[in-house]
Amino acid sequence: GAGVSQSPSNKVTEKGKDVELRCDPISGHTALYWYRQRLGQGLEFLIYFQGNSAPDKSGLPSDRFSAERTGESVSTLTIQRTQQEDSAVYLCASSDRRGSQTQYFGPGTRLLVL
Amino acid sequence: AQKITQTQPGMFVQEKEAVTLDCTYDTSDQSYGLFWYKQPSSGEMIFLIYQGSYDEQNATEGRYSLNFQKARKSANLVISASQLGDSAMYFCAMRPSGGSYIPTFGRGTSLIVHP
Repeated sequence: GAGVSQSPSNKVTEKGKDVELRCDPISGHTALYWYRQRLGQGLEFLIYFQGNSAPDKSGLPSDRFSAERTGESVSTLTIQRTQQEDSAVYLCASSDRRGSQTQYFGPGTRLLVL
Repeated sequence: AQKITQTQPGMFVQEKEAVTLDCTYDTSDQSYGLFWYKQPSSGEMIFLIYQGSYDEQNATEGRYSLNFQKARKSANLVISASQLGDSAMYFCAMRPSGGSYIPTFGRGTSLIVHP
């Protein structure tokens, strides 16, 4: 079956604009994670969805960041009033259950804020 | 709070040789999982191997093995018989086995395999 997909693959925007990033998890995967990876850095956790439970938003760096997921399907990460420091790769991962050992990652969205 | 430390920003290895990538961790959780991921230049994160904190045997997956020393809080990745395609960034990560399930990643080690 298809893996995790993300769109767009690349996004260039101007400072102050809003951007929306999309993640399509593997069908049937209940858990979905968003991460940010700045150049030369490791992954920084942003938000975690598990089924219909309230998401864990503890990693969101500011109130400009928000994410939604309807049920166990697509998720969107929205960054409002983008800043240059938001430039990074945004990775999405899904897993088939809460305690699953394996996360399957998408190819990421490369965001550049000018 | 969890912390992952990867002290080797870059490593070089000759093709067909073995290489060890270091990872130490700190956590107050009693039950946790340790992971290694590979990230080639294309950017995707590829799961390599998993070790549970209560697993008595070191995990192995093909040419990958995890040298787990719980008392020293280390979880080094050993790649045997290196191949040119192993050149990539390697990330160590850990996650509690209950509660938040939020993983923490290290900063990564860049591995270059020479022919």
